[in-house]
Amino acid sequence: GENVEQHPSTLSVQEGDSAVIKCTYSDSASNYFPWYKQELGKGPQLIIDIRSNVGEKKDQRIAVTLNKTAKHFSLHITETQPEDSAVYFCAASSIHSGYALNFGKGTSLLVTP
Amino acid sequence: ETGVTQSPTHLIKTRGQQVTLRCSSQSGHNTVSWYQQALGQGPQFIFQYYREEENGRGNFPPRFSGLQFPNYSSELNVNALELDDSALYLCASSVGPPSQETQYFGPGTRLLVL
Repeated sequence: GENVEQHPSTLSVQEGDSAVIKCTYSDSASNYFPWYKQELGKGPQLIIDIRSNVGEKKDQRIAVTLNKTAKHFSLHITETQPEDSAVYFCAASSIHSGYALNFGKGTSLLVTP
Repeated sequence: ETGVTQSPTHLIKTRGQQVTLRCSSQSGHNTVSWYQQALGQGPQFIFQYYREEENGRGNFPPRFSGLQFPNYSSELNVNALELDDSALYLCASSVGPPSQETQYFGPGTRLLVL
């Protein structure tokens, strides 16, 4: 089945700096890649997603890039703010998994003022 | 807020007992997926329901079962609870049939098995 690996597991940046989280996947048929933000005591919240027919997608301070050849995708957060502090999860899905989401283990992001 | 609600928010059970968790999907969504999230881990897929039928299942034993109702709400039942079943249980709703549609998560039910 699909295996999604996520790095780093923890990331600490200063307010205003950029943060980058990287994920790799194993199933070449995967074609949908969402990113979720999870705050303490809450469910995951979708922040951005990308489908395999697109190489990059941007939404204000957040961007995602996808390299299908290398089977990796990355989340970029620019001008980080303390409220960006949370756990971020990448996920991948394909028809092989019945479109169930296969998640990485998460990245705990801390933005210090 | 996603419009996906779950109940109860917290639950404490003892080993061997049975538990039922409930999920109401977002308006207009007919597909519900359930995930188990152990502490410090990413969510793991349990199963998915579309139009009241189980549409796919992850690597979970048969004591994990579910239902979807005509109004698309759903239940997750776990029999013979084990200590390792302690986790946050998340449901996510989406527009079916199951595809690359966005899944919207509820706040989860935190289950503690003693």
